[in-house]
Amino acid sequence: DAKTTQPPSMDCAEGRAANLPCNHSTISGNEYVYWYRQIHSQGPQYIIHGLKNNETNEMASLIITEDRKSSTLILPHATLRDTAVYYCIVRGQAAQKLVFGQGTRLTINP
Amino acid sequence: NAGVMQNPRHLVRRRGQEARLRCSPMKGHSHVYWYRQLPEEGLKFMVYLQKENIIDESGMPKERFSAEFPKEGPSILRIQQVVRGDSAAYFCASSRREFSYEQYFGPGTRLTVT
Repeated sequence: DAKTTQPPSMDCAEGRAANLPCNHSTISGNEYVYWYRQIHSQGPQYIIHGLKNNETNEMASLIITEDRKSSTLILPHATLRDTAVYYCIVRGQAAQKLVFGQGTRLTINP
Repeated sequence: NAGVMQNPRHLVRRRGQEARLRCSPMKGHSHVYWYRQLPEEGLKFMVYLQKENIIDESGMPKERFSAEFPKEGPSILRIQQVVRGDSAAYFCASSRREFSYEQYFGPGTRLTVT
């Protein structure tokens, strides 16, 4: 699975959009981009995934660049409960396990 | 629809004892994954099981650790002769299919070895 690079920490004001970047320059054609988050020692929570098109669900939007070498997770209206460590993971279609990096510690400030 | 259940949530063992961690996957899920999170570190994959089969144990320590997912009942992660370095949070996840997009995680078991 391709390696990902994320900033170690970010801050965002409550109510604003939180944009979390991820670099995955070695991604291959059949690998998906996944985002999970872990809220203070809880089990990780699936957020969203995509291959090459932008995706949106009730939690977030995922923007993948045309060359697929980077992506951005967008939380449109961040709340205090969105404070968590966010993991960007690249995973092949035939892979079962998730390979977690260090993630981005996102702090939402009131 | 109950989520992934893990018990116990907290487990304290003395060095040399055995630890048994249980994981009940979501209803309809027959694929189970175990991950370990050492203090101040990221999550690391340990093992992937389907009913009665170990599919990938590439992340399991070579000694003292074993896992099973019997036909009936929860998946069990067993650690024999625990040492202080085994203190960690152990998370179980489940999925419905082999190549499922989503893995659903349980709340974890926090193992403390004294």
